[in-house]
Amino acid sequence: GAVVSQHPSRVICKSGTSVKIECRSLDFQATTMFWYRQFPKQSLMLMATSNEGSKATYEQGVEKDKFLINHASLTLSTLTVASAHPEDSSFYICSANKRTDTQYFGPGTRLTVL
Amino acid sequence: GENVEQHPSTLSVQEGDSAVIKCTYSDSASNYFPWYKQELGKGPQLIIDIRSNVGEKKDQRIAVTLNKTAKHFSLHITETQPEDSAVYFCAAGGNAGNMLTFGGGTRLMVKP
Repeated sequence: GAVVSQHPSRVICKSGTSVKIECRSLDFQATTMFWYRQFPKQSLMLMATSNEGSKATYEQGVEKDKFLINHASLTLSTLTVASAHPEDSSFYICSANKRTDTQYFGPGTRLTVL
Repeated sequence: GENVEQHPSTLSVQEGDSAVIKCTYSDSASNYFPWYKQELGKGPQLIIDIRSNVGEKKDQRIAVTLNKTAKHFSLHITETQPEDSAVYFCAAGGNAGNMLTFGGGTRLMVKP
């Protein structure tokens, strides 16, 4: 199989708080992990691509100092939303692939910033 | 870069009927075309994919066709069931660092 988990599934926080989201590939080693953001009734917007042991590659318009990505191992990537504000509220989804271009998605994390 | 367009944005069918969703892509170098199903509040789930070396692939009630010359591919769902109701996304990739470019999505509603 190819199972990807995310934690937490839902987080509600106050404005100014930093929030960390974990993405794990449970039964395979991921060569690359991707972070997406999805607004209601819209498509997936790629935020960044990360490879184990190297710096993430951010898409145009995504602030790397705001959305910090750490890819510590072949099975774990974390996204930290620094000093979150209400406009950062969204559904964040990670995906991972194993040697090919097939991406397997996690269940997503719903972030609500009050 | 790649651009993927998906139609229709919403599709309503009667249970048992067929549903067809179409996508076009712009980059002729793309060679991998997956389809994902996303239920409300969940992550996308890969349901079928096709590579550019084949023109059609089938898995039970789901089939995908690819026309490389015209740069379009389609998802066909036969004998639709209420549990097929979800948002479906097409994507194109295989040409740039394993990245995928997604279509805008199709909300499929299967009425019992």
